[in-house]
This record gives sequence, C-alpha cells and structure tokens, in this order.
Amino acid sequence: KQEVTQIPAALSVPEGENLVLNCSFTDSAIYNLQWFRQDPGKGLTSLLLIQSSQREQTSGRLNASLDKSSGRSTLYIAASQPGDSATYLCAATGNQFYFGTGTSLTVIP
Amino acid sequence: DTAVSQTPKYLVTQMGNDKSIKCEQNLGHDTMYWYKQDSKKFLKIMFSYNNKELIINETVPNRFSPKSPDKAHLNLHINSLELGDSAVYFCASKKGEGTEAFFGQGTRLTVV
Repeated sequence: KQEVTQIPAALSVPEGENLVLNCSFTDSAIYNLQWFRQDPGKGLTSLLLIQSSQREQTSGRLNASLDKSSGRSTLYIAASQPGDSATYLCAATGNQFYFGTGTSLTVIP
Repeated sequence: DTAVSQTPKYLVTQMGNDKSIKCEQNLGHDTMYWYKQDSKKFLKIMFSYNNKELIINETVPNRFSPKSPDKAHLNLHINSLELGDSAVYFCASKKGEGTEAFFGQGTRLTVV
C-alpha cells in the first residue's frame, strides 16, 4: 500500500528566503504527483501536477521535481512571501490520491 | 464559477441524526471522490465513483452511503451520526487517469 511522508512537518522562515519541501512515497508505480496548498479552514488548491514521465514542473515561483526511482518529490519555493503561509500537501496518484501529512509553512514578514 | 462545489459548508448536528452532504462538479469529469480529513489534517479516501459506478469503497462504516445520480454529482449520506464522524469532508473530481484533481472547499461536520 502506498505511503506518503512529508518532511518537515512544520517550517518557519523569514520573508525572502528560498525553501524546499520534501515528499517521499513508497510505491513508484504512480500516475503522477500533485502538490496542493491548503489555507486554514479552506479547501485544497492545486499548485502543480507532475506526470510520472516528467522530471519537473514550474509555475511562477514554484518548482516541483519528481524522482520516481527514489520515490521522492520536492517543492521549491523561491523568494518566499507571507502570503505563502499555508499547509502544503503532496499526493501520489494511483487509482486514488495518497496524501502526505503535510508541511505547515509560516513565512515571517 | 466554482468547479467543485459542496453544500453545506458547515454542518452542526446531534448524535443519532441522519444528514447528507452534496457535491457537484461542472468540469465534465468522469471520476469523483469523497475524502475525510481528520483532526490531524490527514486526508483519507472514503469512496470513488467513475461514471456513476462505485470503484473504491474503503473501510468506511456502512452508515456512510454515497450516491451518484449522474456523472456530475456525488452525494454522501450519513446515518446515525456519531461524535467520531466530526471532521472535514472533501469532494474531488478528475477527468481520467493521470489528470489533475480538483477539490471542493470542504464541509466541516460537527456532531454534538
């Protein structure tokens, strides 16, 4: 059964720093890897989707990478802003979405 | 226009009651899901439907019954609500394998 782990569980950085969030999964037989953002009391907003055949995807200040062979994905956030504060979730996709436990990010002004 | 919409957003009810949560997607997607997010924020699959057909039914108490009247709707009915059912329930949809998933805003259920 797929297990997804996210490290760190919480992260606090000063504004302007670049940061990396990590996601690891145990079963490499995935269709894709999707990163989401969840604000307190809100739903999930899709950030990036990386197909299993791709190595990375970029959207603005966000860059996500995927290494299926090692079962890892990273989300890189450049020049962090207070508005980036949220919980970031990764999900490995098979016949369903297997979610990690999330990384709670706080960007300090 | 909301892609995946859930109603109600908040639901407070007493133990033993029966309640329903509705989900609609206007994306033309074939697959819909219900996920439960517990107090530790972990998201776990409950059900998945593809073209109105149940394809995933995790170990969920049979008090929970999904119903898909058509491809665009997947409703969740819960009988005899218990305190432990308190959580946030998310509906999601996607077009097919390997495609992007879209989630609703969630329904916060509180059983008192």
